[in-house]
Amino acid sequence: IAGITQAPTSQILAAGRRMTLRCTQDMRHNAMYWYRQDLGLGLRLIHYSNTAGTTGKGEVPDGYSVSRANTDDFPLTLASAVPSQTSVYFCASSESGGAEDTQYFGPGTRLTVL
Amino acid sequence: GQNIDQPTEMTATEGAIVQINCTYQTSGFNGLFWYQQHAGEAPTFLSYNVLDGLEEKGRFSSFLSRSKGYSYLLLKELQMKDSASYLCAVWDSNYQLIWGAGTKLIIKP
Repeated sequence: IAGITQAPTSQILAAGRRMTLRCTQDMRHNAMYWYRQDLGLGLRLIHYSNTAGTTGKGEVPDGYSVSRANTDDFPLTLASAVPSQTSVYFCASSESGGAEDTQYFGPGTRLTVL
Repeated sequence: GQNIDQPTEMTATEGAIVQINCTYQTSGFNGLFWYQQHAGEAPTFLSYNVLDGLEEKGRFSSFLSRSKGYSYLLLKELQMKDSASYLCAVWDSNYQLIWGAGTKLIIKP
């Protein structure tokens, strides 16, 4: 693999179900991010991690949790999905999390909660 | 509050030049990014500005005025493949990227 991979590509989920979106990068980047993208809105940061073992909350963290057990993986979990979490989810990574760092994005997961 | 404004949609002709504007009001400023996003795909990096002035990279240039809270992306010699959304994003004082909603650029032959 090269870059960032996300799984699944798309998912339809019943409300109330638990779901984990997977994200793996092979660039040995320290920082990783989860965004959601909704029509008419900019990308919004859900959670981030500046290095393995640490995580932080972004703009819209409620209803989501993350973990960063190692450098490569950064899963996003919806504990009990609700229809307002219907969105396209992008995982991204950058070398160090600094302001000048380019963020590289995965292909996205399209999630529909019914 | 934090705000980034971009036009929702623009139309231009193949071979022409187009300028996409971005104005921002954020808590602090640590740099501004432009990304390109084709429909159904991930955003990809175009440019980064942290100092005032023009950064040129091939057919694409990006300008920044920090005192005016303003940037633009200039695309020259437009090609059909440039049809995409262009996203403006600002690093705020909390070192988080604040994103505009994007400008959908439609290129006509």
